[in-house]
Amino acid sequence: AQSVAQPEDQVNVAEGNPLTVKCTYSVSGNPYLFWYVQYPNRGLQFLLKYITGDNLVKGSYGFEAEFNKSQTSFHLKKPSALVSDSALYFCAVRPFDYKLSFGAGTTVTVRA
Amino acid sequence: EAQVTQNPRYLITVTGKKLTVTCSQNMNHEYMSWYRQDPGLGLRQIYYSMNVEVTDKGDVPEGYKVSRKEKRNFPLILESPSPNQTSLYFCASSFSINQPQHFGDGTRLSIL
Repeated sequence: AQSVAQPEDQVNVAEGNPLTVKCTYSVSGNPYLFWYVQYPNRGLQFLLKYITGDNLVKGSYGFEAEFNKSQTSFHLKKPSALVSDSALYFCAVRPFDYKLSFGAGTTVTVRA
Repeated sequence: EAQVTQNPRYLITVTGKKLTVTCSQNMNHEYMSWYRQDPGLGLRQIYYSMNVEVTDKGDVPEGYKVSRKEKRNFPLILESPSPNQTSLYFCASSFSINQPQHFGDGTRLSIL
């Protein structure tokens, strides 16, 4: 069973508008949660992570994510999207073993 | 420059011809991992290594082998490649499973 889900294959927003990329997980306890971004023909780049503490995590390039334990969600947000934010975004979760599970990815397109 | 280097970047080969994809990192990371990326499936972990001489299966290990004789290197071996192993492969490393992973730029394998 997949432990992390990204319900939207694609997200389209206008430049300057808020951007949200959704992620939900289905592991018990307190998993570690990550967001990565992938640009064409490149490997993934780390954006941010949640381990414990404040539910709002700030990361690279103006991104932030909100951890919601009751809804088992870890949505990625950016208040004002840029065209250069267009990329493929992956949510990842580490349960209690040493594996890392990734979601299927969400393609973000920001139009000028 | 801190990096994860994979070789080759592209390879087209035939069924049954043994191949090795090399991965090297220069960050003294203990944790290394191999993933394959397929459309609609995200990244799936093939094998991981917690340290030298310590490797374990990920979610899709069938048809692959790995070794970790040195800390910096983590080659992926396909003893008898088959067409269903045609994919984009990524090597990644980090200080530990809880830390963000650094990814290589990927190896695109086509098995005919």
